[in-house]
Amino acid sequence: ETGVTQSPTHLIKTRGQQVTLRCSSQSGHNTVSWYQQALGQGPQFIFQYYREEENGRGNFPPRFSGLQFPNYSSELNVNALELDDSALYLCASSSEPNYGYTFGSGTRLTVV
Amino acid sequence: QQQVKQSPQSLIVQKGGISIINCAYENTAFDYFPWYQQFPGKGPALLIAIRPDVSEKKEGRFTISFNKSAKQFSLHIMDSQPGDSATYFCAASEGTDKLIFGTGTRLQVFP
Repeated sequence: ETGVTQSPTHLIKTRGQQVTLRCSSQSGHNTVSWYQQALGQGPQFIFQYYREEENGRGNFPPRFSGLQFPNYSSELNVNALELDDSALYLCASSSEPNYGYTFGSGTRLTVV
Repeated sequence: QQQVKQSPQSLIVQKGGISIINCAYENTAFDYFPWYQQFPGKGPALLIAIRPDVSEKKEGRFTISFNKSAKQFSLHIMDSQPGDSATYFCAASEGTDKLIFGTGTRLQVFP
């Protein structure tokens, strides 16, 4: 299987709710990173998982959490959604940390 | 220190012309410098990348020029085509640490 698949493509949530975003990485890619891209900005690093363990975290609060599974899939969970969480969330996978990343098309989250 | 500054914010080029996008960094420990291309509604796609042991890397119409002493690197798109119209991001990382992205350059190539 090739490519990185993210679901859903679009999502609308209410402030205070919780959301789970999903990513299916390329087979053999044991590193996955999640990025937040606000409109008109570059992607901002949220965290990285390597072989199912968190391997680095950006400047995001603990209400942003993640999981990586043995089948190369992963999740991004965000609790207590705030209006500023509205953004494109990108998943990227690679066969080794931070090299040759393949990005998915992202999930557009809108918090109202 | 962790920032990557990118310019210009937007760029308009005629078909066949050269597009040049510049980035500057402060952290001398950065050792990986990729460029990404992003079309509307899509995720960034890796275009070309360079490590600091070389000053230039060319792949087709895309060239990265790297100036280690000035802590700058740039993307040159030769013979720019309307299909190159997209947003371009430079990025940098240190070892296995996170990728830090620039703010992006919106390129428009007119026929």
